[in-house]
Amino acid sequence: TQLLEQSPQFLSIQEGENLTVYCNSSSVFSSLQWYRQEPGEGPVLLVTVVTGGEVKKLKRLTFQFGDARKDSSLHITAAQPGDTGLYLCAGTPGGYQKVTFGIGTKLQVIP
Amino acid sequence: NAGVTQTPKFQVLKTGQSMTLQCAQDMNHEYMSWYRQDPGMGLRLIHYSVGAGITDQGEVPNGYNVSRSTTEDFPLRLLSAAPSQTSVYFCASTGPWGETQYFGPGTRLLVL
Repeated sequence: TQLLEQSPQFLSIQEGENLTVYCNSSSVFSSLQWYRQEPGEGPVLLVTVVTGGEVKKLKRLTFQFGDARKDSSLHITAAQPGDTGLYLCAGTPGGYQKVTFGIGTKLQVIP
Repeated sequence: NAGVTQTPKFQVLKTGQSMTLQCAQDMNHEYMSWYRQDPGMGLRLIHYSVGAGITDQGEVPNGYNVSRSTTEDFPLRLLSAAPSQTSVYFCASTGPWGETQYFGPGTRLLVL
């Protein structure tokens, strides 16, 4: 079983602060996804990264895939209360093989 | 497009009762999955299907059955509910490149 470790598990910050969430594994993934989940809802895909070293930006969110495709990070600039939620990373070994999810990082942004 | 739909949204069962959680998607995806989400455990794969008539076990299959008679529907059956099956259940449908999963809104199940 390929494991994905996310850190930190909980994060409470003030509006306007920056933060980084990490997703690490000893296994190589062909792609890695980041999802955001709000209370009472299912996860929603934010981004997929597929190339080692790839950096993708989604407004104030920056996603990076490690060179060796074993880890990823999510950086949020100037966090806003609307960023509050559970952030999940998920790794795909390849094709339709079973996806592995991290436990998630619960982010709270205080106004 | 409705995407992935799940019913019911909430359910309370007594130990030993059986029930079926319904899942349907209208995106014509072949690959569908069932997960359970528990605090501190993340999303764990219960069963998955790569197409109509084909199912396989995931990480935590015990106590659950699935079938896939059509591309659209992928029901999950609890054979004899146990308190350990109290959880939030998500159905997901995977896009054509095998990377993006589209999740339903979830079913919150409480087994007393």
